[in-house]
Amino acid sequence: KNEVEQSPQNLTAQEGEFITINCSYSVGISALHWLQQHPGGGIVSLFMLSSGKKKHGRLIATINIQEKHSSLHITASHPRDSAVYICAVRSPRSNQFYFGTGTSLTVIP
Amino acid sequence: DAGVTQSPTHLIKTRGQQVTLRCSPKSGHDTVSWYQQALGQGPQFIFQYYEEEERQRGNFPDRFSGHQFPNYSSELNVNALLLGDSALYLCASSTTDVAGGFYYNEQFFGPGTRLTVL
Repeated sequence: KNEVEQSPQNLTAQEGEFITINCSYSVGISALHWLQQHPGGGIVSLFMLSSGKKKHGRLIATINIQEKHSSLHITASHPRDSAVYICAVRSPRSNQFYFGTGTSLTVIP
Repeated sequence: DAGVTQSPTHLIKTRGQQVTLRCSPKSGHDTVSWYQQALGQGPQFIFQYYEEEERQRGNFPDRFSGHQFPNYSSELNVNALLLGDSALYLCASSTTDVAGGFYYNEQFFGPGTRLTVL
């Protein structure tokens, strides 16, 4: 069983739609990261969370430590948001990442 | 600041060969972690280097080895390449700041090296 589970695996949305990607984890963490990976491979860190909620532009990330769950929301989605979104949690004792398998998002104009 | 850089960007090798991948961390970072990402999968942790020593290791065979230099840059070496080693290899850098035994510092990822083994 993977330490980090994401859903959905694939998501197709119309431009302008509100999008939610979910992440559940089963290990103790020091931080949870939401990462964006475009075709070609480069990974960009969107958020690092240890509690509560963060917002950058149209992106919002929340985490519930007690429930071991996080969500990434995209408001007013745009075709340029099309990418793979990966949830990763960091072990508090080793700094090692455990990654989800990613959610492939396609936003259609 | 150039961020985390990796070289080469793409590489093609044949089975049995050896490969060396390189990573330069973000300025001010002293810790380098390596990850393997197979097609359609999330990245898997290979190992982490700090102060020129391997500090943590994931579930990878000894064919995977590494090195960290005094300037904090790092190399990943893979010997006796197998077809299954074809993947995107990602390097991430961070600082090692431990408070109460817990790590808090964010990791920054490089663009990756795509290795194809034929």
